Amino acid sequence: QQPVQSPQAVILREGEDAVINCSSSKALYSVHWYRQKHGEAPVFLMILLKGGEQKGHEKISASFNEKKQQSSLYLTASQLSYSGTYFCGTRGGSNYKLTFGKGTLLTVNP
Amino acid sequence: DARVTQTPRDKVTEMGQEVTMRCQPILGHNTVFWYRQTMMQGLELLAYFRNRAPLDDSGMPKDRFSAEMPDATLATLKIQPSEPRDSAVYFCASGQREGDGELFFGEGSRLTVL
Repeated sequence: QQPVQSPQAVILREGEDAVINCSSSKALYSVHWYRQKHGEAPVFLMILLKGGEQKGHEKISASFNEKKQQSSLYLTASQLSYSGTYFCGTRGGSNYKLTFGKGTLLTVNP
Repeated sequence: DARVTQTPRDKVTEMGQEVTMRCQPILGHNTVFWYRQTMMQGLELLAYFRNRAPLDDSGMPKDRFSAEMPDATLATLKIQPSEPRDSAVYFCASGQREGDGELFFGEGSRLTVL
C-alpha cells in the first residue's frame, strides 16, 4: 500500500527549513528517501531501518517512528540545489518490495 | 561508472501497438524493479525481481503488461496492446541483494501512446 506524504508542495527561500512527512497504515521495516530533479531519475538520499539505524546524507536528516509508522525528512538551511520532488519509499517486511508515496515538490527560491 | 541503462529513452507509438522497454541493471545487482511515473500517481511499482525470479507483479495490468528477466543483464517490460493511458515515464532500478541498500535508477523511458 502506498505511503502518504505531506505536504504535497512547499516553497522556501534559501536558508529556510522544511519538514516532509511520510506515513503508512502498515507496519514498516524501513523507510527510504529519494530526491528527483525535473527530467531526471530519482536519486537515493537516506535509509532508516527498524531499530533506529540510519544511513545516508550529510546535510539532510530524518526520523523514523516505528510505533506510529511515520517518518519525517528534515531539510535545514535549504540551498537552491535542494529543489526537486522528494519521495519516501517504504518496505513492510524483510522482502525487497519498495513502494513510494506520490512525492512532495520542494521549491527553493533565492 | 556503473549505472542502470534503459532503452529507448523516448518512444511515441500508436494505440494498439506493442511496446518493449529494456533495462540493463548494474552488474552484480540481484534485485530489479520496474516503476511507472505519472503526475497523478507518482512512482507506481509495477514489478520486481530477485535473482531473476519475479517476486511481485501485482501492480501490473496483467492482460496487457508482462515483465521478464531472460538473463542477469537484461530486464524487459512489454505492453501489448498499448493504450493512451499507458503514457508515462517508466523507470527501471536495481539494487543489491544483501542488506537494505539503495536503489539505482535508470534515466527512464518516456512512452507516449497516441
